Amino acid sequence: AAGVIQSPRHLIKEKRETATLKCYPIPRHDTVYWYQQGPGQDPQFLISFYEKMQSDKGSIPDRFSAQQFSDYHSELNMSSLELGDSALYFCASSLGLRNEQFFGPGTRLTVL
Amino acid sequence: QKEVEQNSGPLSVPEGAIASLNCTYSDRGSQSFFWYRQYSGKSPELIMFIYSNGDKEDGRFTAQLNKASQYVSLLIRDSQPSDSATYLCAVKVSGGSNYKLTFGKGTLLTVNP
Repeated sequence: AAGVIQSPRHLIKEKRETATLKCYPIPRHDTVYWYQQGPGQDPQFLISFYEKMQSDKGSIPDRFSAQQFSDYHSELNMSSLELGDSALYFCASSLGLRNEQFFGPGTRLTVL
Repeated sequence: QKEVEQNSGPLSVPEGAIASLNCTYSDRGSQSFFWYRQYSGKSPELIMFIYSNGDKEDGRFTAQLNKASQYVSLLIRDSQPSDSATYLCAVKVSGGSNYKLTFGKGTLLTVNP
């Protein structure tokens, strides 16, 4: 079965640079969630979208923004990167807001 | 106090034994409960979900929910070395615009051959 696709899988950036992470949900899924997981930490919710509208917002820095496009894929834009932004970034998708979330393989972001 | 609490472990069991993983949550409005398995450096993989009080079985896995006690558990029967991973308990408080998952810190399970 098709899964969530994330790109790139690995990304290395310098401080103060920008980064764009992409997420392609499971076909027919209309809801996308972004999570950040630091080393040894549990995933922390950043933001979610349902039917191309923002549905919930968590601990997402103002330097980050995200959107969901007409084909339901989502992009997380990160600016003025800081060392502390180094983490695994997971995208998850679900069919509607109430159903189970399935995670993508993640993007490992390293900020030098 | 974290909203979702788990023993961090490590929990070590011999191959073939039953592994019991526990989780408590603080928000009584929580409606959906999930167990994810995460291997080091990989993404969380959905193992079980449960919405109603009682037990739910799927193969070697059984999830148990007690909303009155705000407690959810995962039993793994006939544990295998491949079950060695971190198990994340996740809770969803549905309602309004809040459908995010709140995770516990995870329990590291080691199954010894």
